[in-house]
Amino acid sequence: AQSVTQLGSHVSVSEGALVLLRCNYSSSVPPYLFWYVQYPNQGLQLLLKYTTGATLVKGINGFEAEFKKSETSFHLTKPSAHMSDAAEYFCAVSDPDGRYNNNDMRFGAGTRLTVKP
Amino acid sequence: KAGVTQTPRYLIKTRGQQVTLSCSPISGHRSVSWYQQTPGQGLQFLFEYFSETQRNKGNFPGRFSGRQFSNSRSEMNVSTLELGDSALYLCASSLALGTMFGAFFGQGTRLTVV
Repeated sequence: AQSVTQLGSHVSVSEGALVLLRCNYSSSVPPYLFWYVQYPNQGLQLLLKYTTGATLVKGINGFEAEFKKSETSFHLTKPSAHMSDAAEYFCAVSDPDGRYNNNDMRFGAGTRLTVKP
Repeated sequence: KAGVTQTPRYLIKTRGQQVTLSCSPISGHRSVSWYQQTPGQGLQFLFEYFSETQRNKGNFPGRFSGRQFSNSRSEMNVSTLELGDSALYLCASSLALGTMFGAFFGQGTRLTVV
C-alpha cells in the first residue's frame, strides 16, 4: 500500500525566500503524486501532479516539484515566497491502476507554511 | 465552469441523529470521491463512486454510506452520529475513475456533532 510522509508540520519562510516543502512516498509500484493547497475554511486546490513523463512538474502559482525515484521524493518548491502562499500543503500518492484494489489518494499529514513579511 | 458544490457548508447535529451531505461535481465529471478531514487523523478516504456504483471504499464503519445519481451528483449519509464524526467532509470530482486526471475538491461541509 502507498503512503506519504511530509517532513515538517510547520515551515516558516520570509517573503521572497525559497519555499521547500518535503514529501517522501512509499509505494511498491510507480505512483501518481500530487500536491494540494488548502486555505482556511476551504477545500483543497490541486497545485500539480506527476503521473508519467517529465519528472519536473510545473504547477500553478509558481510552484514546481520534482519526482526523484531514487530518493522516493516529490518535494515542492517555489523560488520566491509571497504572503499569499501562506496555507496548508498536502502531498498525496495514489496507485495508478488500482492493482491493490484502490484508486483513492493517500494524503500526508500536511505542512503549514507561514510567510513572514 | 462551475466548481464542485457541496451543501450545506455547515451542520450541527446531535449524537444519535443521522445526516445527509450533498455534492455536485464539475459538469462532465463522472467520478465522485468523499474524504473526511480531522485534526487528529488528517485526510482519510471514505469512498468513490463512478457510474452510480461504489468502486472503492476506505476503512470506515458501515454507518457511513453514499450513493451517486445518474447526473453524477452524490450524497453521503452518516447514521447514528458519534462525537468523533465531527469533521470537515470533502467531496472531490474527477473526469473518470482513477486519479490520473487529478481530483477537484469542493469547499467541504463542516459537521459538528454535539
